Amino acid sequence: GAGVSQTPSNKVTEKGKYVELRCDPISGHTALYWYRQSLGQGPEFLIYFQGTGAADDSGLPNDRFFAVRPEGSVSTLKIQRTERGDSAVYLCASSLGSFAGQETQYFGPGTRLLVL
Amino acid sequence: AQSVSQHNHHVILSEAASLELGCNYSYGGTVNLFWYVQYPGQHLQLLLKYFSGDPLVKGIKGFEAEFIKSKFSFNLRKPSVQWSDTAEYFCAVNAGGGRRALTFGSGTRLQVQP
Repeated sequence: GAGVSQTPSNKVTEKGKYVELRCDPISGHTALYWYRQSLGQGPEFLIYFQGTGAADDSGLPNDRFFAVRPEGSVSTLKIQRTERGDSAVYLCASSLGSFAGQETQYFGPGTRLLVL
Repeated sequence: AQSVSQHNHHVILSEAASLELGCNYSYGGTVNLFWYVQYPGQHLQLLLKYFSGDPLVKGIKGFEAEFIKSKFSFNLRKPSVQWSDTAEYFCAVNAGGGRRALTFGSGTRLQVQP
């Protein structure tokens, strides 16, 4: 498709379980971002990839969160030992990767995670 | 750490009214500024952005924003709103210097009544 896609659209899990969220960026975009949006808040930056490498992971809240992008396209956000406070919408975005902070980031529809 | 403040959490207007949504940021260096919009049931999408040049920036759907460096502000305006402008609006700042992360405000929910 033409836009950023994310799967699943909704995920319900139990406290303590492991979850994986997938992001498929726009074709040709080398930069990929993960954000988390809690209810009533704006998106909060988690991590940014340029190609296969995590160029900035300063937003990851703790070591239960990890993300990979092994082939420089699809990315997976992994959350271990989920907690109720992890419930949020997880947004993925991508951009061309050429113009640093001036670039438009194109957002996907998000994955709504609910931890019971 | 930089922060972004959006003063209006919920705004209700009648069609044809003028709109101004406030955005202030706390960062002293060079910034790149964005307004994103999320229509009901849709993704976040870019309305407009500023990174240099004319501080009055025009975006899609008749929106514009003015960067006032001395006030650390980037307010969004539209002279005459339509019912279809009902959405949530987010201001976002990038600190520049090679960083890519966006820092978002908490958003303003705009409701336009026909």
